[in-house]
Amino acid sequence: EIVLTQSPGTLSLSPGKRVTLSCRASQSVSSSYLAWYQQKPGQAPRLLIYATSTRATGIPDRFSGSGSGTDFTLTINKLEPEDFAVYYCQQYGNSPRYTFGQGTKLEIK
Amino acid sequence: EVQLLESGGALIQPGGSLRLSCAASGFTFSNYGMTWVRQAPGKGLEWVSIITGSGTRAYYGDSVKGRFTISRDNSNNTLYLQLNGLRADDTAVYYCARGDRVTASRFDYWGQGTLVTVSS
Repeated sequence: EIVLTQSPGTLSLSPGKRVTLSCRASQSVSSSYLAWYQQKPGQAPRLLIYATSTRATGIPDRFSGSGSGTDFTLTINKLEPEDFAVYYCQQYGNSPRYTFGQGTKLEIK
Repeated sequence: EVQLLESGGALIQPGGSLRLSCAASGFTFSNYGMTWVRQAPGKGLEWVSIITGSGTRAYYGDSVKGRFTISRDNSNNTLYLQLNGLRADDTAVYYCARGDRVTASRFDYWGQGTLVTVSS
């Protein structure tokens, strides 16, 4: 089973800053099958990025994704107040099997 | 507009059974794989199960295999999850979500979740 490890666990930043979140896989992941989600308190997750770098419908262009193999990143440019949330990476593998990272909490400094 | 509405969550004793439902609208339900993902209180997301659009194939995470059963009724646009042999560590919010149409490798729409609490 592929394990996804996200870092850091928590980030404290101010609005307007740029942030990069990391997702590292225990084995190589197809770039077609790596996604990112945002979850706010009391809400369901929302798909942000799929296939490593493609923004989902309605996602602003300050969100971007990159990476390959075992290392993937989510970058948010010019943080808005509504961006403070928990972010999860997710991969799809054979069987099929889906795994999520443990999440990175982005909080307002 | 795509909508997913879960129901059926409850407080249930260890060893008990429960059936969750997810009513779908706003898309052609039978064209999409559908999944259940759960989240224990204060914890991260855990994939539970997925079923193909036709309902002919279903897959499960290791922690629920043999205890949970996913099914669907395409005539009524409803997804189900039968939970048997419940344990305290099954306590979670259970979300239904739609798999993307082409690969079902990601989940593009989510319901608001239903809470299952397993406790005596």
